[in-house]
Amino acid sequence: SQTIHQWPATLVQPVGSPLSLECTVEGTSNPNLYWYRQAAGRGLQLLFYSVGIGQISSEVPQNLSASRPQDRQFILSSKKLLLSDSGFYLCAWSAVQEKLFFGSGTQLSVL
Amino acid sequence: EDQVTQSPEALRLQEGESSSLNCSYTVSGLRGLFWYRQDPGKGPEFLFTLYSAGEEKEKERLKATLTKKESFLHITAPKPEDSATYLCAVQAGTNAGKSTFGDGTTLTVKP
Repeated sequence: SQTIHQWPATLVQPVGSPLSLECTVEGTSNPNLYWYRQAAGRGLQLLFYSVGIGQISSEVPQNLSASRPQDRQFILSSKKLLLSDSGFYLCAWSAVQEKLFFGSGTQLSVL
Repeated sequence: EDQVTQSPEALRLQEGESSSLNCSYTVSGLRGLFWYRQDPGKGPEFLFTLYSAGEEKEKERLKATLTKKESFLHITAPKPEDSATYLCAVQAGTNAGKSTFGDGTTLTVKP
């Protein structure tokens, strides 16, 4: 069966520090991969999605970036975090145009 | 631009008191409408996919319905364990599987 792993669960970082969040999927090949961010009490905002290795589409201009070095690995990065980067970050995968399977999320606090 | 509006923002019910959650959407060429359940601090979990007006899906105390402009999530005789945030999302026919989410309805069921 398919599983998705996302870590860390909680992260507290100072303003201006770098960020790296990692997500891996098991049990499927060539999934679509997504990074979403959720503000408190709000819905999910799509940040990046990928349909294949090295193929990244950005939905929202910001100081975050994403990479897909392997078929089932998706990484969210920043060189210098801002206060506004705080939030709940979710990685997800899907088969093409199908339901999303989410990881457990990372609660990021930038102080 | 695809848009999803959910109402009410919050709903408090007594155990056994049935009600409905609303999801209104605007999308160019609906590919699918999705309902997810999200518990605090966790990633959303898939509940239903609806593809065309008139379609209905059921799972335990939940039933989802779809018209050309909105979807309803009916909750019959809810229990405290149904307390969660319910998210609605749409996929348009040409957006490569990207989902647009509403802000969710937070349901609290009191015993």
